[in-house]
Amino acid sequence: DQQVKQNSPSLSVQEGRISILNCDYTNSMFDYFLWYKKYPAEGPTFLISISSIKDKNEDGRFTVFLNKSAKHLSLHIVPSQPGDSAVYFCAASALRSGNTGKLIFGQGTTLQVKP
Amino acid sequence: DSGVTQTPKHLITATGQRVTLRCSPRSGDLSVYWYQQSLDQGLQFLIQYYNGEERAKGNILERFSAQQFPDLHSELNLSSLELGDSALYFCASSEQGAGNTIYFGEGSWLTVV
Repeated sequence: DQQVKQNSPSLSVQEGRISILNCDYTNSMFDYFLWYKKYPAEGPTFLISISSIKDKNEDGRFTVFLNKSAKHLSLHIVPSQPGDSAVYFCAASALRSGNTGKLIFGQGTTLQVKP
Repeated sequence: DSGVTQTPKHLITATGQRVTLRCSPRSGDLSVYWYQQSLDQGLQFLIQYYNGEERAKGNILERFSAQQFPDLHSELNLSSLELGDSALYFCASSEQGAGNTIYFGEGSWLTVV
């Protein structure tokens, strides 16, 4: 049962353009969402998060949008840079339902930003 | 550097053997999480400990076990290893439990031959 899904295994974007990574979830109890970036041979690093009380959170070039009714979130990277090339994981957590803090991850999307 | 330290970084062992992966959380973090990433797979949650006690269990096999010690470091024990156990095992930590960002170590590559 894949509660968090990233349906696009890969995405290729030209440098300077916008990268949009998508994530869908099925568990309506999820109320806290995060994006992690992972380079080869390294652990995932936290990028940005959003609580379900918001529909947008911005941090520099990174913006996360949350559509609760559609159970969908997306990560926008503007402008994309070659250094952004990595695997991006979407993760979700259910804070209000006595959750312990564990995150459920999607399968990841490999982003390639071409110079 | 996330502050989460994992050892060993790489490990090759034979089927049927047992290995122990070690994790030191970030200073002050009480929660430790273990995740498994197999080839072409996402990060699968295995188990969480909070201040020495098991807090949550995910898709962890009965052949696997973990513990968190009084100094808050954690160990993941994998026994009767099978070829399919070959994966990258990540440890992560957070300050408390729910609501905190989880920080990951660099992982331990386990290859079972």
